[in-house]
Amino acid sequence: DTGVSQDPRHKITKRGQNVTFRCDPISEHNRLYWYRQTLGQGPEFLTYFQNEAQLEKSRLLSDRFSAERPKGSFSTLEIQRTEQGDSAMYLCASSLASGQNTGELFFGEGSRLTVL
Amino acid sequence: DQQVKQNSPSLSVQEGRISILNCDYTNSMFDYFLWYKKYPAEGPTFLISISSIKDKNEDGRFTVFLNKSAKHLSLHIVPSQPGDSAVYFCAASRYNQGGKLIFGQGTELSVKP
Repeated sequence: DTGVSQDPRHKITKRGQNVTFRCDPISEHNRLYWYRQTLGQGPEFLTYFQNEAQLEKSRLLSDRFSAERPKGSFSTLEIQRTEQGDSAMYLCASSLASGQNTGELFFGEGSRLTVL
Repeated sequence: DQQVKQNSPSLSVQEGRISILNCDYTNSMFDYFLWYKKYPAEGPTFLISISSIKDKNEDGRFTVFLNKSAKHLSLHIVPSQPGDSAVYFCAASRYNQGGKLIFGQGTELSVKP
């Protein structure tokens, strides 16, 4: 399977614990995006990378959230001191884009976080 | 501030009939629009897109219409099939925003046999 893969698919944690999600994009894609989706809502943009550079962060991404893409390939999203409000589906997407052109985003199946 | 809105949370259509899903946006700087389909326990998958320089794009049973003056787009599915039952999201982006998409809340389409 050469699509976007995310791990773990489901994480249950207690409030206050740290969690980390991993995303492996489609190999030739240079852009990688993180979105969050809550029940009844569409995906909300969190951040994106072009290669290893993090180019934009949403105000939704509080200082408890950090994302990295160290070698321009896979990415991790870490949430520190989790709160119940962090419970959501975290979606990763990748695209192949040049310059400022918009490319189609390919999404992974998501990592569902449940904070107890 | 909800820049992309889908005001119908759900839609039910008979198999073989037309499904029309609507989407409104507020930001006139958006210049590229997409529709994604999402099945339960899967990520959204791309369906069809349209650039702001066009007012219609067609791909098989799916057609997207864009009315820039009304800041409105719609997705037509003809004929509708039970396998089309899913949540449909419209999304918008701006040319110089790195491909970042702003999504609507989604419309759940149910196609009855």
